[in-house]
Amino acid sequence: AQKITQTQPGMFVQEKEAVTLDCTYDTSDQSYGLFWYKQPSSGEMIFLIYQGSYDEQNATEGRYSLNFQKARKSANLVISASQLGDSAMYFCAMWYNQGGKLIFGQGTELSVKP
Amino acid sequence: EAGVTQSPTHLIKTRGQQVTLRCSPISGHTSVYWYQQALGLGLQFLLWYDEGEERNRGNFPPRFSGRQFPNYSSELNVNALELEDSALYLCASSLTGVHYEQYFGPGTRLTVT
Repeated sequence: AQKITQTQPGMFVQEKEAVTLDCTYDTSDQSYGLFWYKQPSSGEMIFLIYQGSYDEQNATEGRYSLNFQKARKSANLVISASQLGDSAMYFCAMWYNQGGKLIFGQGTELSVKP
Repeated sequence: EAGVTQSPTHLIKTRGQQVTLRCSPISGHTSVYWYQQALGLGLQFLLWYDEGEERNRGNFPPRFSGRQFPNYSSELNVNALELEDSALYLCASSLTGVHYEQYFGPGTRLTVT
């Protein structure tokens, strides 16, 4: 069965430092996609970054990068140069090739300290 | 370009009542997805509609239902509300066949008392 695991309920990081949010996944599908979303206190889910299972290079979007280790089934999000506005819940999600649905992890609450 | 819109923003209902939530997708998107996010939890997939048809359903009881209209907007109906239905209900939309690229609306926060 498909599953996403985020083992860090909460994380703290100092402003301007980098932080890594962990995500591991489980699937028997060969074709799948991995996502990270940011959810501020307002509730809206904001797409950050996407990695396809066949992509050989790690995805990057500005200050966000996805450390994709397929053999270990991990898809960690790295945020460089943290900003106060990065404080939010972060969800790792997986799309798999049947059902047309995203499976989400439980989330990690990131707090950026000034 | 307008994003996904949802209404109402907030809703308070009593146990046993019925509620209807609405979602308008991004222009050109034909797939609509509904998710439930209970307090402190991740998102749980509820329903997927595409081209007016229900394509997939999550592990929720039949009192959760919905439909998609010819203009691709969608409604989520919940009958016989229970206290545990209190949650943020998020709608997302995508292009047909590109269901891994889903754009989310701001959500409707439902409180059942």
